[in-house]
Amino acid sequence: QSALTQPASVSGSPGQSITISCTGTSSDVGGYKYVSWYQQHPGKAPKLMIYDVSNRPSGVSNRFSGSKSGNTASLTISGLQAEDEADYYCGSYTTSSYVIFGGGTKLTVL
Amino acid sequence: QVQLQESGPGLVKPSETLSLTCAVSGYSISSGYYWAWIRQPPGKGLECIGTIYHSGITYYNPSLKSRVTISVDTSKNQFSLKLSSVTAADTAVYYCARNPGSRYLDYWGQGTLVTVSS
Repeated sequence: QSALTQPASVSGSPGQSITISCTGTSSDVGGYKYVSWYQQHPGKAPKLMIYDVSNRPSGVSNRFSGSKSGNTASLTISGLQAEDEADYYCGSYTTSSYVIFGGGTKLTVL
Repeated sequence: QVQLQESGPGLVKPSETLSLTCAVSGYSISSGYYWAWIRQPPGKGLECIGTIYHSGITYYNPSLKSRVTISVDTSKNQFSLKLSSVTAADTAVYYCARNPGSRYLDYWGQGTLVTVSS
């Protein structure tokens, strides 16, 4: 199974909103309501930001939101802050019963 | 608070078997959930290696399935990874994580770098 497709990079200014897309197939993103998003700062372990398409774990800012349409999921970060600068990975449950990831998107806060 | 900690050799020779253990604290593995291994080559993205339920049911990434064994030891509250016939391409930071319903990964270990080199 191929990795999910994400843009290599996105950027935005403080206070703006950005959206990161994640495209898969009917065997993963399109087939289940089980998309997740992870934030990873350099040298750190990934942190779960969104699960089951649009749910936020306790403690995650409501500036982070998720959605899905067909085979494409999206992560939106509103009110960009400097601390949001990181790599972001989408993940999806697959027909093989494990999580497949996207290639990652580097977010730069200008 | 659930905590996970990976341990094992940081250097493995080519063609040998990589072995790592993940110790879990703050939650009893036998109470449920899937538990996963994920790796990240230097400068690259994440790859799920496989996942195991507390009962021992396993699901592996098809691209690694022939070389991977994940096992669980509920008496020690830990689970383990074995990856055989390693090459330089297996050099990566290896993470363990809790994997609810095999759907997402909510608690992660800090990761351990394993280098494959002679």
